[in-house]
Amino acid sequence: DQQVKQNSPSLSVQEGRISILNCDYTNSMFDYFLWYKKYPAEGPTFLISISSIKDKNEDGRFTVFLNKSAKHLSLHIVPSQPGDSAVYFCAARRMNRDDKIIFGKGTRLHILP
Amino acid sequence: EAQVTQNPRYLITVTGKKLTVTCSQNMNHEYMSWYRQDPGLGLRQIYYSMNVEVTDKGDVPEGYKVSRKEKRNFPLILESPSPNQTSLYFCASSPPFQETQYFGPGTRLLVL
Repeated sequence: DQQVKQNSPSLSVQEGRISILNCDYTNSMFDYFLWYKKYPAEGPTFLISISSIKDKNEDGRFTVFLNKSAKHLSLHIVPSQPGDSAVYFCAARRMNRDDKIIFGKGTRLHILP
Repeated sequence: EAQVTQNPRYLITVTGKKLTVTCSQNMNHEYMSWYRQDPGLGLRQIYYSMNVEVTDKGDVPEGYKVSRKEKRNFPLILESPSPNQTSLYFCASSPPFQETQYFGPGTRLLVL
């Protein structure tokens, strides 16, 4: 049973426009949600996170929105830049329980010139 | 430089030959974790450790062992590797009370 789902394997966005990456989860016990970015041949790097008690967190061009009632979060990148082309993983963490971390399957973002 | 290191970075082995992938972090992090990345499956947690001598199973622990005898090291042991353990492996560590993780560069393993 997949607890964290990224239903779009890939996404193409024009440079300068907004990129929106989506993630759904099934378990209400997660207390943090995180986004990681991964380039080929490198380990994932942390991008932004949000606590389950918040509905929005912003860091520069990156904003994460959390809709708890829908068990849905999204990552907005504005404006999209060529260096944003990468695989993005959504992850959920249960720090207040067993501290397991569950990742989605990832979405490959292509920024088009 | 704060980092997570893994060795080896690439490894080709044969079925049944025991191997160990080392992971070390120099940030004094308490939480450490191992993941495998497979096409179409994303990152799946194998084992994690919240502190020295404390380890727990992740989602895919079968066929793997770990140990945490000291804070900085968290080796991944494959006692009898099989071809279905061919994968890209990542080690990660996390500071206490912080949700973020820092990942190593990955170890690509091929089991023939």
